[in-house]
Amino acid sequence: AQSVTQLGSHVSVSEGALVLLRCNYSSSVPPYLFWYVQYPNQGLQLLLKYTTGATLVKGINGFEAEFKKSETSFHLTKPSAHMSDAAEYFCAVSGRTGTASKLTFGTGTRLQVTL
Amino acid sequence: DTAVSQTPKYLVTQMGNDKSIKCEQNLGHDTMYWYKQDSKKFLKIMFSYNNKELIINETVPNRFSPKSPDKAHLNLHINSLELGDSAVYFCASSRTRLAGAYNEQFFGPGTRLTVL
Repeated sequence: AQSVTQLGSHVSVSEGALVLLRCNYSSSVPPYLFWYVQYPNQGLQLLLKYTTGATLVKGINGFEAEFKKSETSFHLTKPSAHMSDAAEYFCAVSGRTGTASKLTFGTGTRLQVTL
Repeated sequence: DTAVSQTPKYLVTQMGNDKSIKCEQNLGHDTMYWYKQDSKKFLKIMFSYNNKELIINETVPNRFSPKSPDKAHLNLHINSLELGDSAVYFCASSRTRLAGAYNEQFFGPGTRLTVL
């Protein structure tokens, strides 16, 4: 079974500082990996995804993530945090092509951005 | 136009009642899902339907019964509501039932259910 672990349920950064949200996956074969963002009282929005090809994936709002097979990681980064980035971030995994499209989520990381 | 919509947005009810949540998608997708987000923000899949056929049924009490009248709609009916059912329920949809590079899931805004 696939799973993801998000290290740190709460991360606080200053505005303008680097954002780093950690995600490690467990899977017998490299899965598809996703980062979703949930703003307060809203649904989930896809930030970016890794399926195949380039291991450095760029997403919306200046976020990017790098798939590292050797470390089974898919950490999310942003060079400079904005106040508007404050939200809950979820890493998720699904099987590869041909398997059921079912997302398994991590426990989420709340990003707080301070002045 | 909203891609995946849910009604109601908020639902407050007493223990023992029966309630329904409705979901509609206008993306032309074949597959729809229900996820539950608990008070700790943990998200877990409950059900998935593909073109009106149930294809994923995780370990969910049989008080929960999904129904898909057509592939654009997936409703969730809950019987005999319990305190532990309080959560945010998200509907999602994807083009097909199988994982694929371009088969991402789109989520609705959620329905916050509070059982008193």
